[in-house]
Amino acid sequence: QVQLVESGGGVVQPGRSLRLSCTASGFSFSSHGMHWVRQSPGKGLEWVAVISNDGTGKYYADSVKGRFTISRDNSKNTMDLQMTSLRAEDTALYYCAKEFDYGGLGVYWGQGTPVTVSS
Amino acid sequence: DIVMTQTPLSSPVTLGQPASISCRSSQSLVHSNGNTYLTWLQQRPGQPPRLLIYKISNRFSGVPDRFSGSGAGTDFTLKISRVEAEDVGVYYCMQATHFPWTFGQGTKVEIK
Repeated sequence: QVQLVESGGGVVQPGRSLRLSCTASGFSFSSHGMHWVRQSPGKGLEWVAVISNDGTGKYYADSVKGRFTISRDNSKNTMDLQMTSLRAEDTALYYCAKEFDYGGLGVYWGQGTPVTVSS
Repeated sequence: DIVMTQTPLSSPVTLGQPASISCRSSQSLVHSNGNTYLTWLQQRPGQPPRLLIYKISNRFSGVPDRFSGSGAGTDFTLKISRVEAEDVGVYYCMQATHFPWTFGQGTKVEIK
């Protein structure tokens, strides 16, 4: 069955960097766009970034553009999110999600990896 | 960016009674391919979101038929015909027509 497992979260000081990873299994990873979505404590969902199936297409939320970089390695079934210049407002649970074939998200998500930006 | 506005933000409902959530987008969600990528998601406490409805009105596999979606263009609605205890949670609309994709603020459905 489809599994998405995030890793790499933790506590980091403002201005520092952190790299999140998502390891996928149970489906043809190289055939699907993949997304990062985050949720700040007690808050709503915020879409962060997407990478196309072949890695050539990338889009970002305005709030992270220029600071976060999404990438993938189809040979390893992994997707990464390199986060730099972290701010307190980046504190959130970060989910990776597989794009739904009929548009959008929601069928397959990981359990999330928590990121806390604090001095 | 497209702003998704949900109303109400909180919906206390009596078991067995209907509930309705509205979602309005700041721009049309009709894609150049003719599809409208408006989805509804449910999030129960401590869990990732779950897909309920895609492309305005298509119920995802396994979603009870008491959930229905409707709308067009910029105005969309999720209806629960008879709320059950397991429906408690936060409901989000999300547009996947234009990048960046955006979510509504969420509507908390709770039992009165």
